Amino acid sequence: DAKTTQPPSMDCAEGRAANLPCNHSTISGNEYVYWYRQIHSQGPQYIIHGLKNNETNEMASLIITEDRKSSTLILPHATLRDTAVYYCIAGGGGATNKLIFGTGTLLAVQP
Amino acid sequence: EAEVAQSPRYKITEKSQAVAFWCDPISGHATLYWYRQILGQGPELLVQFQDESVVDDSQLPKDRFSAERLKGVDSTLKIQPAELGDSAMYLCASSPIRGSGSSYEQYFGPGTRLTVT
Repeated sequence: DAKTTQPPSMDCAEGRAANLPCNHSTISGNEYVYWYRQIHSQGPQYIIHGLKNNETNEMASLIITEDRKSSTLILPHATLRDTAVYYCIAGGGGATNKLIFGTGTLLAVQP
Repeated sequence: EAEVAQSPRYKITEKSQAVAFWCDPISGHATLYWYRQILGQGPELLVQFQDESVVDDSQLPKDRFSAERLKGVDSTLKIQPAELGDSAMYLCASSPIRGSGSSYEQYFGPGTRLTVT
């Protein structure tokens, strides 16, 4: 599975868009980009995933560069409840759909 | 909304004792995962089941850890004997099965926080 690189922490003002970057320069052609988040003391929560195209759902948007070496998760209107550790994972799609979590980005939404 | 259930939520045990965790996945999910999360780190996969069969247990410390999913539904993870270094959050996740090569999201339970004293 490809290694991902994320900033350890970011701040965002409440009501503003939060843009979380992720580098996955060694991603292979059949690996997906997944985003999960983990609010303190809870289990991780699936947010969104994509292969090549940009994706949007009710929680967020995922922008994947054309060369697939990096991506950005966008939370359009961050709230205090979005404060969490956000994990970007490049993997899955194979026989076992194995996901390897890194240490993620701690997003702190400020009032 | 269907959820993954885990019990207990918290467990304190003394080293050298046995401990067990239970997980009930979302109904109809064929794939079940057990992860361990040490404080400050991301979750690490311990074992993955497809129905009742183990498909990946490469990171499971088999000298002390065991996992089973006898009827392909709920699952138990056991540690015997527990060591101080086993203190962590143990997470269960499940996912639906799709076609080969497809992607599918994993749904996590609330976890069991284990403290070994």
